[in-house]
Amino acid sequence: AQKVTQAQTEISVVEKEDVTLDCVYETRDTTYYLFWYKQPPSGELVFLIRRNSFDEQNEISGRYSWNFQKSTSSFNFTITASQVVDSAVYFCALNYGGSQGNLIFGKGTKLSVKP
Amino acid sequence: IAGITQAPTSQILAAGRRMTLRCTQDMRHNAMYWYRQDLGLGLRLIHYSNTAGTTGKGEVPDGYSVSRANTDDFPLTLASAVPSQTSVYFCASSDPTTGGGYTFGSGTRLTVV
Repeated sequence: AQKVTQAQTEISVVEKEDVTLDCVYETRDTTYYLFWYKQPPSGELVFLIRRNSFDEQNEISGRYSWNFQKSTSSFNFTITASQVVDSAVYFCALNYGGSQGNLIFGKGTKLSVKP
Repeated sequence: IAGITQAPTSQILAAGRRMTLRCTQDMRHNAMYWYRQDLGLGLRLIHYSNTAGTTGKGEVPDGYSVSRANTDDFPLTLASAVPSQTSVYFCASSDPTTGGGYTFGSGTRLTVV
């Protein structure tokens, strides 16, 4: 079965704190893609990153970084020096069945960054 | 601007009425999808279409139908709306050449009363 679990329902931090959002996935496919999306209060879904199952290199983009570990089936997302504008719901997602397979989402983690 | 257009933005609908949510993309993506988003449940796939002329059922297809007459349009129809279909609906498309990256529309907020 394909599944994405985001165990943290809500996280609240103070501005400038670092925060890590956890994502654990399940799939029997050997080829798959993992994603993170951001949904700010305005409601749109903003693509953040895509990772394929053959690329375990960690990635950093500004204050954002992602740690992909196949051994633990995890794809965690860290925001360094959080800002109020980072407040949003963050979704981890799994695309299985090849490049045109279906995307399944975790239930999301609501991040609140307080000034 | 390339992307996905959904209409209407929001709608209040009486139970039992028929409603079609529209979705149009101008990126020539083969695959398109409809998701519903509900609090605490994340986004769940309703129906999908891998290419024009084909459709498939997702996780929560009951009460919904779709058609894919051409590449650009993927309407979602509620034949007889019920209050449990109150949700935010997102249309998406994907380009397999980019490893399944999805582009989402801005959503339709539907309230069935």
